[in-house]
Amino acid sequence: EAQVTQNPRYLITVTGKKLTVTCSQNMNHEYMSWYRQDPGLGLRQIYYSMNVEVTDKGDVPEGYKVSRKEKRNFPLILESPSPNQTSLYFCASSFRRGGQETQYFGPGTRLLVL
Amino acid sequence: QKEVEQDPGPLSVPEGAIVSLNCTYSNSAFQYFMWYRQYSRKGPELLMYTYSSGNKEDGRFTAQVDKSSKYISLFIRDSQPSDSATYLCAMSPNSGGYQKVTFGTGTKLQVIP
Repeated sequence: EAQVTQNPRYLITVTGKKLTVTCSQNMNHEYMSWYRQDPGLGLRQIYYSMNVEVTDKGDVPEGYKVSRKEKRNFPLILESPSPNQTSLYFCASSFRRGGQETQYFGPGTRLLVL
Repeated sequence: QKEVEQDPGPLSVPEGAIVSLNCTYSNSAFQYFMWYRQYSRKGPELLMYTYSSGNKEDGRFTAQVDKSSKYISLFIRDSQPSDSATYLCAMSPNSGGYQKVTFGTGTKLQVIP
């Protein structure tokens, strides 16, 4: 079954305690991306990756890091989380060929930073 | 001014109505236009994907892009209660590969039985 998995699904942490949210896809997609979703602001892209070792900033990259060492995994790292990073986070992977796009989103990770 | 503007709604329509959802944008570099549906407490799902201007139809859904007006629309025919969700538009430039994607804030749709 084609899927994007994220872990953990829910996380409560404290300011400054480093955390990693994992994202994994089983479809061999080249493109992966991280988003955060906040009420009234919609989805905003944090980072994206066009392939292994190729990453770039989205609209709201401050306070986040990513790495893409393997095609299937794209972890999101918060080195020193702050309360304004409390949000719902989604990972996605995509495949685009011949004018058609296939895309899958993960189930989301709800993060609360105290 | 936001790059992508979308009326948040909510929009309530009776079952069977034609629904029109719209977004405007300011960045002329946008070439790829997407519509997503998001049910409550779920991740978004890609509904429609179009490149440049024109119409694209998929079942009850039609996506329309007017680049001259910087305006995109999603039409839902014969709307059903199961169409009740938040609809997000999204756009990205064309570089021959993937680039940044910018989303609208979403329009909440309720289809009343």
